[in-house]
Amino acid sequence: NAGVMQNPRHLVRRRGQEARLRCSPMKGHSHVYWYRQLPEEGLKFMVYLQKENIIDESGMPKERFSAEFPKEGPSILRIQQVVRGDSAAYFCASAPSRVLPLHFGNGTRLTVT
Amino acid sequence: AQTVTQSQPEMSVQEAETVTLSCTYDTSESDYYLFWYKQPPSRQMILVIRQEAYKQQNATENRFSVNFQKAAKSFSLKISDSQLGDAAMYFCAYKGGNDMRFGAGTRLTVKP
Repeated sequence: NAGVMQNPRHLVRRRGQEARLRCSPMKGHSHVYWYRQLPEEGLKFMVYLQKENIIDESGMPKERFSAEFPKEGPSILRIQQVVRGDSAAYFCASAPSRVLPLHFGNGTRLTVT
Repeated sequence: AQTVTQSQPEMSVQEAETVTLSCTYDTSESDYYLFWYKQPPSRQMILVIRQEAYKQQNATENRFSVNFQKAAKSFSLKISDSQLGDAAMYFCAYKGGNDMRFGAGTRLTVKP
């Protein structure tokens, strides 16, 4: 049973470009979470999704950021018109239910030049 | 909003000794979960131990144990017989509603 898969592992974008981060949850997991981690800091909650639904996006910036978890395929975190402040590690985590612990992917490190 | 506080940015322990990492949290909920995650330099987030708030018994996983004080909203992690491989960032986490909140982390160094 493969773990949470995130790709790409590293992503470099120029200011103004779009970044698309992908996350395939563990088999049987329908709850997906996205977190952002700045250097030497903890993880900051961004968004919580279930299949085809955004349950809580209170941690996600209102502009330029969006997330989806379609019926088929991976969850996508999309950042439009990236700025240098978006540079961070973005982690995806999944769980089979709301109450069970999260299993994390290895993260995508986004660098905006 | 729930907050998680780790007051020790860095800790150091001698190999084979015991170290305790502190964590406090703030919540108005009665039913929730607490976790400790380890993040080595590889950046992978590894679940170390979990505790359900409704359970009075402290969780234990091999060399890792917690001291859960619900009234004090305290959830410390004790690592016994520390090993070089324990060196990492340790994050305390709270899960109550829809999200999981993390503390800022404690960097643990293990000296040979």
